[in-house]
Amino acid sequence: QKEVEQNSGPLSVPEGAIASLNCTYSDRGSQSFFWYRQYSGKSPELIMFIYSNGDKEDGRFTAQLNKASQYVSLLIRDSQPSDSATYLCAIDTGGFKTIFGAGTRLFVKA
Amino acid sequence: GAVVSQHPSWVICKSGTSVKIECRSLDFQATTMFWYRQFPKQSLMLMATSNEGSKATYEQGVEKDKFLINHASLTLSTLTVTSAHPEDSSFYICSARARQGAYEQYFGPGTRLTVT
Repeated sequence: QKEVEQNSGPLSVPEGAIASLNCTYSDRGSQSFFWYRQYSGKSPELIMFIYSNGDKEDGRFTAQLNKASQYVSLLIRDSQPSDSATYLCAIDTGGFKTIFGAGTRLFVKA
Repeated sequence: GAVVSQHPSWVICKSGTSVKIECRSLDFQATTMFWYRQFPKQSLMLMATSNEGSKATYEQGVEKDKFLINHASLTLSTLTVTSAHPEDSSFYICSARARQGAYEQYFGPGTRLTVT
């Protein structure tokens, strides 16, 4: 079992819709959870991090964490074509290393 | 805040030569820096972790004599690809942690290396 699993996609949503990206992880000791956005040919950009169970909102983005289910998600409200990118889920178990998922490709149709 | 730069942004070199890539944290002191490699349409692959003033920790399968990492200061880390070969052509990305105890990483813009 991979340590961090994401559906590779592509996830296609119409402009204005809510995009829901999901991630599961295997290490129950994981403490910190991150979402990065990576445009094609560019490096990843940190968009959200969450440490506690529940929801964390930042603008159009909401991160949701459920440690009991070992599940973290990212919701993008009012999706825009400019949101089309690969979204990487990343987990830190408390050591120096962050484990990245393979990413989910999101395509927002205009 | 938390800006990381890389230089060069792209480089083409001949097989057998060495290439040095610089990674700088511009507005913070980075206690830890990371080097990743990413092939087209694949996920990030961590190559090594470096802490200022100490030797880098390489991931399994990464040749430390081929990929030399120097973390000379709290704002600068370098990756040297020695005796480069075409299979080393890839997108190399560094990242940095902004402070002790923080887990979020800030990425540089990446360096695209092509070995001919």
